[in-house]
Amino acid sequence: KNEVEQSPQNLTAQEGEFITINCSYSVGISALHWLQQHPGGGIVSLFMLSSGKKKHGRLIATINIQEKHSSLHITASHPRDSAVYICAVRFLNYGGSQGNLIFGKGTKLSVKP
Amino acid sequence: DSGVTQTPKHLITATGQRVTLRCSPRSGDLSVYWYQQSLDQGLQFLIQYYNGEERAKGNILERFSAQQFPDLHSELNLSSLELGDSALYFCASSVDGRLNEQFFGPGTRLTVL
Repeated sequence: KNEVEQSPQNLTAQEGEFITINCSYSVGISALHWLQQHPGGGIVSLFMLSSGKKKHGRLIATINIQEKHSSLHITASHPRDSAVYICAVRFLNYGGSQGNLIFGKGTKLSVKP
Repeated sequence: DSGVTQTPKHLITATGQRVTLRCSPRSGDLSVYWYQQSLDQGLQFLIQYYNGEERAKGNILERFSAQQFPDLHSELNLSSLELGDSALYFCASSVDGRLNEQFFGPGTRLTVL
């Protein structure tokens, strides 16, 4: 079964803390996306990964294909990072379609000043 | 701003009615995706179009249909609406529907009363 699991479900941090959000998936994938959804509802694509590591500002995303696991790290967290972070994957066996994303349930992050 | 536009932002209607949601992809993007985000199901892929042709179908109900026009904008038609159709509907676009980053529109919030 094609599943995407995220942890933790909710996360509260103090400003400045290092944050890690985890994503595990069940079978082989062609790509993994990290998305950010702000309280207003808008979704922003943060990263798309198929291997290794990517960095953008204070955000770092890593993926371990063998372990079927990805992490999103936020360094020096700030209240404006408060949002829901969603992991989404394209499974290799998903009916042959290249475009479909399967989403995790999201991690709600709250960063307190 | 992702460059993807969706109208309307909010839509309130009654059960049994029909509505049309509209999406304009980023300039140059040929592929459009529709997603539904409800409180109990999270984000789910509905359907994908590439250059006017249906590319992939996900969990889209028979009461729902979509199309992509020659100017590449897309419309999602929802008919015989039920209370459970209340959700955020997102459109996303990508360059060619393969292993590319997807850019999300701001969403349309549909409330069925």
